[in-house]
Amino acid sequence: GDSVTQMEGPVTLSEEAFLTINCTYTATGYPSLFWYVQYPGEGLQLLLKATKADDKGSNKGFEATYRKETTSFHLEKGSVQVSDSAVYFCALSGATSGAQKLVFGQGTRLTINP
Amino acid sequence: GAGVSQTPSNKVTEKGKYVELRCDPISGHTALYWYRQSLGQGPEFLIYFQGTGAADDSGLPNDRFFAVRPEGSVSTLKIQRTERGDSAVYLCASRTGGQTGELFFGEGSRLTVL
Repeated sequence: GDSVTQMEGPVTLSEEAFLTINCTYTATGYPSLFWYVQYPGEGLQLLLKATKADDKGSNKGFEATYRKETTSFHLEKGSVQVSDSAVYFCALSGATSGAQKLVFGQGTRLTINP
Repeated sequence: GAGVSQTPSNKVTEKGKYVELRCDPISGHTALYWYRQSLGQGPEFLIYFQGTGAADDSGLPNDRFFAVRPEGSVSTLKIQRTERGDSAVYLCASRTGGQTGELFFGEGSRLTVL
């Protein structure tokens, strides 16, 4: 079945550092790919998405590019802030799991120190 | 309300008891989802409603779990004869009908079975 694998956390960086959180997926067909973020005390929120190969999703300075050849959707940000501290989840939908189900990775906890 | 509301936010119960978890979706959202998030894991799909009917309940782990949405708005997840392994955060999400709308998550109901 479909699956998503994220780099293990926790990840700790200093403010203004460059961030990469790796995400790879296994799926048949052409899934849509997502990054969700969970800030402390809040519900999951959609951060960005890409629905076809080579699409780039972006939001709040974060970017991720849908790479079908490497089955990856790595999350990047050029200069992180303390307010980016959260848990980040990579997810997919629309492959064998069906369009209505999101399949999530295990999450990566990010802590940014001032 | 403005967002997806879940009650209770925390529930502690004893093994073998019956539990109900409530989700109040965003007004006008016809699609409603339940996910379960175990400690250190990403959310896992349980069930999806389109209107009043359960369109996909393939994620429910066994027949102790049941969910209803009788009027197409509020949903209740019901767990019978709870087991310690049911301890998790139960997340509800909603969106407008169709497959491309953003999914909005509640903050979850944390269930602890002693």
